Amino acid sequence: DQQVKQNSPSLSVQEGRISILNCDYTNSMFDYFLWYKKYPAEGPTFLISISSIKDKNEDGRFTVFLNKSAKHLSLHIVPSQPGDSAVYFCAASAHPGRPNPVNFGNEKLTFGTGTRLTIIP
Amino acid sequence: NAGVTQTPKFRVLKTGQSMTLLCAQDMNHEYMYWYRQDPGMGLRLIHYSVGEGTTAKGEVPDGYNVSRLKKQNFLLGLESAAPSQTSVYFCASSYSLRDNSPLHFGNGTRLTVT
Repeated sequence: DQQVKQNSPSLSVQEGRISILNCDYTNSMFDYFLWYKKYPAEGPTFLISISSIKDKNEDGRFTVFLNKSAKHLSLHIVPSQPGDSAVYFCAASAHPGRPNPVNFGNEKLTFGTGTRLTIIP
Repeated sequence: NAGVTQTPKFRVLKTGQSMTLLCAQDMNHEYMYWYRQDPGMGLRLIHYSVGEGTTAKGEVPDGYNVSRLKKQNFLLGLESAAPSQTSVYFCASSYSLRDNSPLHFGNGTRLTVT
């Protein structure tokens, strides 16, 4: 059962326009979400994250939006650049007992299947 | 700064053969992980380690063993390879186990079992 779903395997966007990558989840206990970016023949690299206490987090051209009621998050890239062409994975984790700090999380990450973004020059 | 280095990059095994994948990190990270990536499945955690001399099972540990004899190295072993273990394997490390401590991944090992 895929708890984190990226229903669009691929997406093509014109350079300079906005890229929107979507991710849906089914586990209502998920409370921390991340996006990783992966180039061919390389490992994924961390891009941006968001806690469930927020509905938006911005870092330069990248913004992640979280809609908890819809169990949906999205990554917006604006403006899109050719170097953004990559596979994007969303990931989520759940922490029973939040907001008390607990020293675990990464071993509970659930990844989506990825969306291949192609930026057309 | 090398970060996380995986060897080998590619390997082809026959069913029943054994092999060890090596992961080395130079960031002094306490935590290390082995993932596999399969089409349509995303990244799945095989085993992880919370420090030198420790290992723990992840989501898909069957058929694999791991060892963390030195803090900087995390080895993944296949004792008797099966075609179902054909995959791309990624090693990762992190400063903390908390999920706000990003994973640093190696470039992967593509393994084919025939």
